[in-house]
Amino acid sequence: DVKVTQSSRYLVKRTGEKVFLECVQDMDHENMFWYRQDPGLGLRLIYFSYDVKMKEKGDIPEGYSVSREKKERFSLILESASTNQTSMYLCASSPPVRGQGGYTFGSGTRLTVV
Amino acid sequence: GQSLEQPSEVTAVEGAIVQINCTYQTSGFYGLSWYQQHDGGAPTFLSYNALDGLEETGRFSSFLSRSDSYGYLLLQELQMKDSASYFCCRMDSSYKLIFGSGTRLLVRP
Repeated sequence: DVKVTQSSRYLVKRTGEKVFLECVQDMDHENMFWYRQDPGLGLRLIYFSYDVKMKEKGDIPEGYSVSREKKERFSLILESASTNQTSMYLCASSPPVRGQGGYTFGSGTRLTVV
Repeated sequence: GQSLEQPSEVTAVEGAIVQINCTYQTSGFYGLSWYQQHDGGAPTFLSYNALDGLEETGRFSSFLSRSDSYGYLLLQELQMKDSASYFCCRMDSSYKLIFGSGTRLLVRP
């Protein structure tokens, strides 16, 4: 089974802090994604990556950056956390073929910015 | 979620059949996926349709009509454990998966 692991289940950070959310997958998937989930809004794509060192902006990249130095690891960075970034963050990975087996999601990190 | 429309809530009785409809914008459309998410859990993949027609996986089936920009998820023999949120998602030509806002399904005994 593909496993996507997010390093923290719950995080509380202060406004202005730099926050790192880590995600690791163990199936050698090329594609990795970061979403945030808010009530009534579904999942919204922040950033995604097709390969090491590559990154593409999703629909809501403002206030975020990402890093993919190794194939298995995709990090989401909040340069200066703000209260409107309080949310559930979900990482996912997928093989390169569209639709094949779908995306596999991690369990999520619930971030609260105070 | 942008570019997809699905009902916000559906209620059905255990043992019944329920259909969750989804319409989508066609720009860059490649295929339609469905995901299930229980409260507090991660979304899990249910199905993917790239071509018109019905795909069946056990009690769940998914349908796509490209000409109508429409799809649905059909759940048969509903069980209490099927109470969850169901998301229709469009896969676009750049591998991006765009989620709808989700349909909350409540199965009553």
